Amino acid sequence: SAVISQKPSRDICQRGTSLTIQCQVDSQVTMMFWYRQQPGQSLTLIATANQGSEATYESGFVIDKFPISRPNLTFSTLTVSNMSPEDSSIYLCSVEHPNYGYTFGSGTRLTVV
Amino acid sequence: ELKVEQNPLFLSMQEGKNYTIYCNYSTTSDRLYWYRQDPGKSLESLFVLLSNGAVKQEGRLMASLDTKARLSTLHITAAVHDLSATYFCAVGRGGADGLTFGKGTHLIIQP
Repeated sequence: SAVISQKPSRDICQRGTSLTIQCQVDSQVTMMFWYRQQPGQSLTLIATANQGSEATYESGFVIDKFPISRPNLTFSTLTVSNMSPEDSSIYLCSVEHPNYGYTFGSGTRLTVV
Repeated sequence: ELKVEQNPLFLSMQEGKNYTIYCNYSTTSDRLYWYRQDPGKSLESLFVLLSNGAVKQEGRLMASLDTKARLSTLHITAAVHDLSATYFCAVGRGGADGLTFGKGTHLIIQP
């Protein structure tokens, strides 16, 4: 299955600032997915990133808050903009392999103070 | 809208016992996944179930899928402490549209 490198692994940020999370895959993939896991909660899909087109956002998530880039078939970034304490979560990227299903990066643990 | 219900949400059991976690979903899907998450860690893929009647086993864990009932189960046999974790089921949303997750089952296995 694909190996996903995600960074940073964790960060503590001041409210009002922005953080960009990077996700690098060791093989070319069509779609990359970004999820949020709030403390003690399950995972919620933020958006789907397809190379060469704008990301598709789920209900409750908007591009101004969570801009996504997908410059090539192995890389994507998610920015959490104008952060507030409510954005404190784990953010995970994911890709799908036809035989192995969806695999996940190691996650970025974000704390906003 | 696809909804995934998982139960129980919390389970405390003794080593050596058997138990089953249930995952119901609301709309037709041909892909069901089980993941394990340890505290502070990412998700580890356990099983991918792709067809009705699929059954997969790995060690003390066995997963099954009934697409007609829209139900998957994760059965734990003779539990050991190392299986303590949070277990999530997730359902494919169709095509390559990502996953919808259940709320997770927080499993504690006590010696």
